Amino acid sequence: DGGITQSPKYLFRKEGQNVTLSCEQNLNHDAMYWYRQDPGQGLRLIYYSQIVNDFQKGDIAEGYSVSREKKESFPLTVTSAQKNPTAFYLCASSPGDRQPQHFGDGTRLSIL
Amino acid sequence: AQSVAQPEDQVNVAEGNPLTVKCTYSVSGNPYLFWYVQYPNRGLQFLLKYITGDNLVKGSYGFEAEFNKSQTSFHLKKPSALVSDSALYFCAVRGSGDYKLSFGAGTTVTVRA
Repeated sequence: DGGITQSPKYLFRKEGQNVTLSCEQNLNHDAMYWYRQDPGQGLRLIYYSQIVNDFQKGDIAEGYSVSREKKESFPLTVTSAQKNPTAFYLCASSPGDRQPQHFGDGTRLSIL
Repeated sequence: AQSVAQPEDQVNVAEGNPLTVKCTYSVSGNPYLFWYVQYPNRGLQFLLKYITGDNLVKGSYGFEAEFNKSQTSFHLKKPSALVSDSALYFCAVRGSGDYKLSFGAGTTVTVRA
C-alpha cells in the first residue's frame, strides 16, 4: 500500500541534543511538508519542499532544519535551539496544489 | 494573509441526529477548501475538498460540505451521526497559486449513543 511512514512514533530529547524525525513516502509525490501540532492550535507549517534539493521555511522554522536529497525522504531535525520542542509532529505529501495532502501517523516528541 | 476560523471548540450530538461543524475562511483570490478528520494519536485523514464547481461537495463516510462564497463559509455536515464519527475535525484553506495550507484550530466532535 502507498503511504507515508513516520518514525519513530515516540521520541525523547535531552537538553542540548539534536534529534531527527524520519518521513518517507512511496506515493511519488513531489511536495512534502512538516507540521507541528499543539493542543488547541491546529497545525503550523515548519518547512515544505516542492522538489528535490529545494525547500522553504514555513511559519515556525526557527530551531528546525530539513533536507530533501531524495524524492521519497524529507527528514526533520529538531535542534537544541528549539526551546519548546514538545509537540506532535506530522509529515505530509501532495501531488499538486489542488490535491489534498496525505499525512503520516506522526511522531510525538517529549523532553527528558 | 489567509486564515481559517472554527468557532466551536466542541460539538456534541446524539447518534442519529444531524451533525454540523462550522468553518469560515479568509483568503485572497479563489479558495481551495479542505476538511480533514483526526483520531487520537493518528495523522489527518482527508474527507472532502472544494476547488470549483458545485457548492455542495460530497465526501467520504457520508460527509458533505456546502461552500458559501458570500458568507466565506464551508460548513461540514452529516445527516445522521454515528458514534464512530467522534474525532477532531480540521478545516483548511489555501489561495489559488499559494503553496501554504492554513488550518483551523480544530473542532472536537462527540457523538453519544
